[in-house]
Amino acid sequence: GAVVSQHPSWVICKSGTSVKIECRSLDFQATTMFWYRQFPKQSLMLMATSNEGSKATYEQGVEKDKFLINHASLTLSTLTVTSAHPEDSSFYICSAPDRGKNIQYFGAGTRLSVL
Amino acid sequence: AQSVTQLGSHVSVSEGALVLLRCNYSSSVPPYLFWYVQYPNQGLQLLLKYTSAATLVKGINGFEAEFKKSETSFHLTKPSAHMSDAAEYFCAVSSRYNFNKFYFGSGTKLNVKP
Repeated sequence: GAVVSQHPSWVICKSGTSVKIECRSLDFQATTMFWYRQFPKQSLMLMATSNEGSKATYEQGVEKDKFLINHASLTLSTLTVTSAHPEDSSFYICSAPDRGKNIQYFGAGTRLSVL
Repeated sequence: AQSVTQLGSHVSVSEGALVLLRCNYSSSVPPYLFWYVQYPNQGLQLLLKYTSAATLVKGINGFEAEFKKSETSFHLTKPSAHMSDAAEYFCAVSSRYNFNKFYFGSGTKLNVKP
């Protein structure tokens, strides 16, 4: 079964609204989680590293005010796309490392469509 | 800096034929290399990983990959394709200094014909 749960799997929203995506680690704690973005026929691009109890670290070119990340507990990280626009439409995937097993688990992804 | 190139966005093979998915990497530090598979509407599942032990790595579902430093390659192979192997495959690289930070290739969709 899934060890990283991502919700929702698909969301459609109007331009200008904000959308929150949740990423949960099941059965293990994750002090660090990662958020990726995937455009059609392109690679998964790392957006940011989510750190429990502290600020997220963003990759170059990623707007931190646009993509708000909150990692409030050891099993939950959220990504909020603020004031979404059609160009934000994409596939967002989170991952969490299980340090005890030295394995990184990925969520099933969230497809965001902004109208 | 690290990056991954996967040659061929689509690969089609007949059932029972050899599967070969190509991956070349670029890394300024000794890399860790991974192959993940993604079935429709599912998360990425780890097939195998190279972390500096044996250069020939065996994974799940009969897949294996060989790390070739001289060619900066980590190609994925399977001797005999199954219909159930049809999926999208991603090659990824991370570094020994930041194991959890992954850089992915653009993916290869494998189609298996009956």
